[in-house]
Amino acid sequence: GNSVTQMEGPVTLSEEAFLTINCTYTATGYPSLFWYVQYPGEGLQLLLKATKADDKGSNKGFEATYRKETTSFHLEKGSVQVSDSAVYFCALRGGNNRLAFGKGNQVVVIP
Amino acid sequence: DTGVSQDPRHKITKRGQNVTFRCDPISEHNRLYWYRQTLGQGPEFLTYFQNEAQLEKSRLLSDRFSAERPKGSFSTLEIQRTEQGDSAMYLCASSLGDSSWEETQYFGPGTRLLVL
Repeated sequence: GNSVTQMEGPVTLSEEAFLTINCTYTATGYPSLFWYVQYPGEGLQLLLKATKADDKGSNKGFEATYRKETTSFHLEKGSVQVSDSAVYFCALRGGNNRLAFGKGNQVVVIP
Repeated sequence: DTGVSQDPRHKITKRGQNVTFRCDPISEHNRLYWYRQTLGQGPEFLTYFQNEAQLEKSRLLSDRFSAERPKGSFSTLEIQRTEQGDSAMYLCASSLGDSSWEETQYFGPGTRLLVL
C-alpha cells in the first residue's frame, strides 16, 4: 500500500538557518504529494503540494520538488524564523483519495 | 468560506460510554473525510463520504465506530462502548473532489477524545 517515511526525530535550529526535512514515499501509480503544517494549538494546514513529477510546490518561503526517480519530496526553507516552529507532515494521495501521512517532524527554531 | 469546523473540541468520557462528534465541511465541498491521530503519529484514514454515500472504510474502523453524512452536508462520527485505546485526536477534512489530481483536503481543528 501507499506509505510515507519522514526522517526521525525533532529538528532544532537557529533563526535564519537552512531547513531540510526529508520525505520519501512508496506508492502505486502517480500520487499527489503534500506538506501539511500544524502550529501549536491549531489544526493541520496545507503548506504546499505537487501533483506530478518534477513539479515544485512553494509557499511562505518553503519549497519541495516531486522527484519520481528518488520517490522523494523533501521540504526546504532557506532562512527559518521563530514563527516557523511547528510540526510538519508529508503526505501522499493516491487513486483511492485517502491521504497517507508520515509521522511528522517537530521543528523548533531558536532565536 | 469559514473553513471546516468540528464540535466538540475536547471530550472526556468514561470507558464504556458512547460519544458522538460532528463535522461541518466547507460549503459546496462534496467529499468529507475522517482521520484519527494519536500522539507522535501522523493522521490515519478512517472513512470518507462523497455527498451522502460512504465510499470507503478503513479496517481501523471497528464495529463500534459508525459515521453518517445525512443530506451530504455535516457528518457525525459515533464511537460506542469507548475503550481507552480510542483516546486520540479525531480530524475531519473536506474537499471539492473530482477526477483530477488537484484535489486538496482542508482540515478542521479536530476533536480530542480522552477515555478514562
